[in-house]
Amino acid sequence: GQNIDQPTEMTATEGAIVQINCTYQTSGFNGLFWYQQHAGEAPTFLSYNVLDGLEEKGRFSSFLSRSKGYSYLLLKELQMKDSASYLCVVMDSNYQLIWGAGTKLIIKP
Amino acid sequence: GAVVSQHPSWVICKSGTSVKIECRSLDFQATTMFWYRQFPKQSLMLMATSNEGSKATYEQGVEKDKFLINHASLTLSTLTVTSAHPEDSSFYICSASPGDRESYEQYFGPGTRLTVT
Repeated sequence: GQNIDQPTEMTATEGAIVQINCTYQTSGFNGLFWYQQHAGEAPTFLSYNVLDGLEEKGRFSSFLSRSKGYSYLLLKELQMKDSASYLCVVMDSNYQLIWGAGTKLIIKP
Repeated sequence: GAVVSQHPSWVICKSGTSVKIECRSLDFQATTMFWYRQFPKQSLMLMATSNEGSKATYEQGVEKDKFLINHASLTLSTLTVTSAHPEDSSFYICSASPGDRESYEQYFGPGTRLTVT
Protein backbone atom coordinates (compact mmCIF):
# COMPACT_ATOMS: atom_id res chain seq x y z
CA GLY A 1 0.00 0.00 0.00
CA GLN A 2 0.93 3.64 -0.21
CA ASN A 3 1.96 5.30 2.99
CA ILE A 4 3.27 8.63 4.22
CA ASP A 5 4.52 9.07 7.77
CA GLN A 6 5.10 12.34 9.56
CA PRO A 7 4.93 13.24 13.24
CA THR A 8 1.51 14.14 14.54
CA GLU A 9 2.60 17.15 16.54
CA MET A 10 5.72 19.18 17.28
CA THR A 11 6.43 22.11 19.55
CA ALA A 12 9.12 24.74 19.03
CA THR A 13 10.10 28.13 20.38
CA GLU A 14 9.73 31.44 18.60
CA GLY A 15 12.99 32.36 16.84
CA ALA A 16 14.27 28.79 16.82
CA ILE A 17 14.61 26.22 14.03
CA VAL A 18 12.43 23.16 13.54
CA GLN A 19 12.69 20.22 11.16
CA ILE A 20 9.61 18.25 10.18
CA ASN A 21 10.39 14.83 8.75
CA CYS A 22 8.41 12.81 6.25
CA THR A 23 8.98 9.27 5.04
CA TYR A 24 7.03 7.72 2.21
CA GLN A 25 6.35 4.46 0.43
CA THR A 26 4.45 4.97 -2.80
CA SER A 27 3.87 3.40 -6.20
CA GLY A 28 6.46 5.37 -8.09
CA PHE A 29 7.44 8.96 -7.51
CA ASN A 30 6.83 12.15 -9.41
CA GLY A 31 7.59 14.72 -6.77
CA LEU A 32 7.00 15.68 -3.17
CA PHE A 33 5.15 18.75 -1.95
CA TRP A 34 4.92 20.53 1.36
CA TYR A 35 1.82 22.51 2.19
CA GLN A 36 0.98 24.73 5.14
CA GLN A 37 -2.54 24.77 6.46
CA HIS A 38 -3.88 27.08 9.14
CA ALA A 39 -6.94 25.93 11.01
CA GLY A 40 -10.10 26.44 9.01
CA GLU A 41 -8.27 27.45 5.85
CA ALA A 42 -7.24 25.74 2.64
CA PRO A 43 -3.64 24.57 2.26
CA THR A 44 -1.04 26.87 0.75
CA PHE A 45 1.86 25.63 -1.31
CA LEU A 46 5.32 25.80 0.26
CA SER A 47 7.66 23.69 -1.85
CA TYR A 48 8.09 21.05 -4.50
CA ASN A 49 11.03 18.63 -4.75
CA VAL A 50 11.52 16.11 -7.51
CA LEU A 51 15.33 15.79 -7.45
CA ASP A 52 17.52 14.92 -4.48
CA GLY A 53 18.86 17.79 -2.50
CA LEU A 54 17.91 20.92 -0.67
CA GLU A 55 15.60 23.63 -1.99
CA GLU A 56 15.76 26.90 -0.07
CA LYS A 57 13.03 29.50 -0.16
CA GLY A 58 13.42 32.23 2.39
CA ARG A 59 12.94 30.92 5.91
CA PHE A 60 11.72 27.57 4.60
CA SER A 61 13.84 24.82 3.08
CA SER A 62 12.86 21.37 1.86
CA PHE A 63 15.11 18.37 1.41
CA LEU A 64 14.56 15.18 -0.55
CA SER A 65 16.30 11.81 -0.69
CA ARG A 66 14.52 9.57 -3.17
CA SER A 67 16.66 6.52 -2.38
CA LYS A 68 15.66 6.76 1.28
CA GLY A 69 12.04 7.77 0.66
CA TYR A 70 12.64 10.72 2.94
CA SER A 71 12.04 14.43 3.03
CA TYR A 72 12.15 17.16 5.59
CA LEU A 73 10.86 20.69 5.86
CA LEU A 74 13.12 23.08 7.74
CA LEU A 75 11.70 26.25 9.20
CA LYS A 76 14.10 28.90 10.49
CA GLU A 77 13.56 31.98 12.63
CA LEU A 78 10.20 30.69 13.72
CA GLN A 79 7.37 33.16 14.09
CA MET A 80 4.10 32.74 15.92
CA LYS A 81 2.25 32.80 12.59
CA ASP A 82 4.09 29.61 11.62
CA SER A 83 1.82 27.71 13.98
CA ALA A 84 -0.10 25.51 11.55
CA SER A 85 -0.32 22.02 10.15
CA TYR A 86 2.33 21.02 7.63
CA LEU A 87 1.31 18.46 5.07
CA CYS A 88 3.72 16.18 3.21
CA VAL A 89 2.27 15.09 -0.13
CA VAL A 90 3.76 12.70 -2.67
CA MET A 91 2.78 12.38 -6.31
CA ASP A 92 2.94 8.77 -7.44
CA SER A 93 3.64 7.28 -10.86
CA ASN A 94 0.03 7.90 -11.93
CA TYR A 95 0.30 11.55 -10.94
CA GLN A 96 -2.05 10.93 -8.03
CA LEU A 97 -1.43 12.85 -4.82
CA ILE A 98 -0.95 10.87 -1.65
CA TRP A 99 -1.51 13.05 1.39
CA GLY A 100 0.16 12.66 4.76
CA ALA A 101 -1.93 13.26 7.87
CA GLY A 102 -0.05 16.46 8.63
CA THR A 103 2.15 17.65 11.45
CA LYS A 104 0.66 20.18 13.82
CA LEU A 105 3.37 22.67 14.71
CA ILE A 106 2.91 24.67 17.91
CA ILE A 107 5.10 27.72 18.38
CA LYS A 108 5.63 28.99 21.93
CA PRO A 109 6.89 32.45 22.85
CA GLY B 1 -1.35 35.07 -10.26
CA ALA B 2 -2.82 31.57 -9.94
CA VAL B 3 -5.92 32.46 -7.96
CA VAL B 4 -8.73 30.00 -7.38
CA SER B 5 -12.05 31.10 -5.96
CA GLN B 6 -14.88 29.13 -4.45
CA HIS B 7 -18.47 30.09 -3.92
CA PRO B 8 -20.10 30.06 -1.49
CA SER B 9 -17.64 30.32 1.39
CA TRP B 10 -20.11 28.68 3.71
CA VAL B 11 -23.58 27.28 3.39
CA ILE B 12 -26.18 25.86 5.73
CA CYS B 13 -28.86 23.66 4.23
CA LYS B 14 -31.59 21.34 5.38
CA SER B 15 -31.30 17.61 5.16
CA GLY B 16 -32.56 16.30 1.83
CA THR B 17 -31.78 19.40 -0.19
CA SER B 18 -29.01 19.83 -2.76
CA VAL B 19 -26.14 22.27 -2.65
CA LYS B 20 -23.93 23.44 -5.50
CA ILE B 21 -20.37 24.66 -4.92
CA GLU B 22 -18.47 26.51 -7.64
CA CYS B 23 -14.72 26.51 -8.18
CA ARG B 24 -13.15 28.99 -10.56
CA SER B 25 -9.60 29.56 -11.73
CA LEU B 26 -9.42 33.31 -12.15
CA ASP B 27 -6.24 33.91 -14.09
CA PHE B 28 -5.28 30.62 -15.68
CA GLN B 29 -6.88 27.75 -17.52
CA ALA B 30 -7.25 24.66 -15.41
CA THR B 31 -6.92 21.46 -17.33
CA THR B 32 -7.58 19.50 -14.19
CA MET B 33 -9.53 20.33 -11.07
CA PHE B 34 -9.65 18.36 -7.87
CA TRP B 35 -12.27 18.20 -5.16
CA TYR B 36 -11.28 17.43 -1.59
CA ARG B 37 -13.17 16.99 1.64
CA GLN B 38 -11.70 17.63 5.03
CA PHE B 39 -13.21 16.61 8.32
CA PRO B 40 -12.10 18.36 11.51
CA LYS B 41 -8.53 17.63 12.52
CA GLN B 42 -7.99 15.33 9.56
CA SER B 43 -5.99 15.59 6.37
CA LEU B 44 -7.50 16.28 3.01
CA MET B 45 -9.32 13.42 1.34
CA LEU B 46 -9.45 13.48 -2.44
CA MET B 47 -12.99 12.94 -3.65
CA ALA B 48 -12.62 13.20 -7.40
CA THR B 49 -10.51 14.46 -10.25
CA SER B 50 -12.11 16.21 -13.18
CA ASN B 51 -10.70 17.08 -16.55
CA GLU B 52 -12.39 19.67 -18.70
CA GLY B 53 -14.95 18.15 -21.01
CA SER B 54 -14.85 14.63 -19.60
CA LYS B 55 -16.42 12.72 -16.76
CA ALA B 56 -14.89 13.00 -13.34
CA THR B 57 -12.87 10.17 -11.84
CA TYR B 58 -14.11 9.39 -8.36
CA GLU B 59 -12.05 7.93 -5.55
CA GLN B 60 -13.07 4.65 -4.04
CA GLY B 61 -15.90 5.07 -1.58
CA VAL B 62 -17.16 8.35 -3.03
CA GLU B 63 -20.68 8.08 -4.45
CA LYS B 64 -20.70 9.65 -7.88
CA ASP B 65 -24.50 9.92 -7.91
CA LYS B 66 -24.42 11.85 -4.68
CA PHE B 67 -21.51 14.15 -5.46
CA LEU B 68 -22.07 15.41 -8.98
CA ILE B 69 -19.09 17.09 -10.60
CA ASN B 70 -19.23 19.15 -13.76
CA HIS B 71 -16.12 20.65 -15.37
CA ALA B 72 -17.74 22.41 -18.28
CA SER B 73 -15.00 24.91 -19.02
CA LEU B 74 -11.30 25.43 -18.39
CA THR B 75 -12.07 27.88 -15.61
CA LEU B 76 -15.09 26.41 -13.85
CA SER B 77 -15.90 23.21 -12.04
CA THR B 78 -18.95 22.60 -9.86
CA LEU B 79 -19.65 20.09 -7.11
CA THR B 80 -23.28 19.39 -6.29
CA VAL B 81 -24.05 17.55 -3.09
CA THR B 82 -27.42 15.93 -3.73
CA SER B 83 -29.88 14.97 -1.02
CA ALA B 84 -27.50 16.23 1.63
CA HIS B 85 -27.42 14.62 5.07
CA PRO B 86 -25.81 15.79 8.31
CA GLU B 87 -22.88 13.42 7.76
CA ASP B 88 -22.06 15.38 4.59
CA SER B 89 -21.23 18.39 6.74
CA SER B 90 -17.60 19.11 6.03
CA PHE B 91 -15.08 21.53 4.57
CA TYR B 92 -14.97 21.12 0.78
CA ILE B 93 -11.89 22.40 -1.00
CA CYS B 94 -11.17 22.53 -4.70
CA SER B 95 -7.84 22.92 -6.39
CA ALA B 96 -6.83 23.57 -9.95
CA SER B 97 -3.81 22.61 -11.97
CA PRO B 98 -2.66 24.11 -15.25
CA GLY B 99 -1.66 20.57 -16.16
CA ASP B 100 1.91 21.34 -17.08
CA ARG B 101 3.71 18.16 -16.16
CA GLU B 102 6.87 20.07 -15.31
CA SER B 103 5.04 21.91 -12.62
CA TYR B 104 2.30 20.06 -10.86
CA GLU B 105 1.69 22.71 -8.31
CA GLN B 106 -1.95 22.85 -7.35
CA TYR B 107 -3.65 26.07 -6.49
CA PHE B 108 -6.28 25.74 -3.82
CA GLY B 109 -9.53 27.56 -3.43
CA PRO B 110 -10.39 29.00 -0.02
CA GLY B 111 -12.83 26.19 0.73
CA THR B 112 -16.56 25.92 1.38
CA ARG B 113 -17.88 24.97 4.78
CA LEU B 114 -21.10 22.98 4.44
CA THR B 115 -23.38 22.41 7.40
CA VAL B 116 -26.41 20.18 6.91
CA THR B 117 -29.07 20.48 9.59
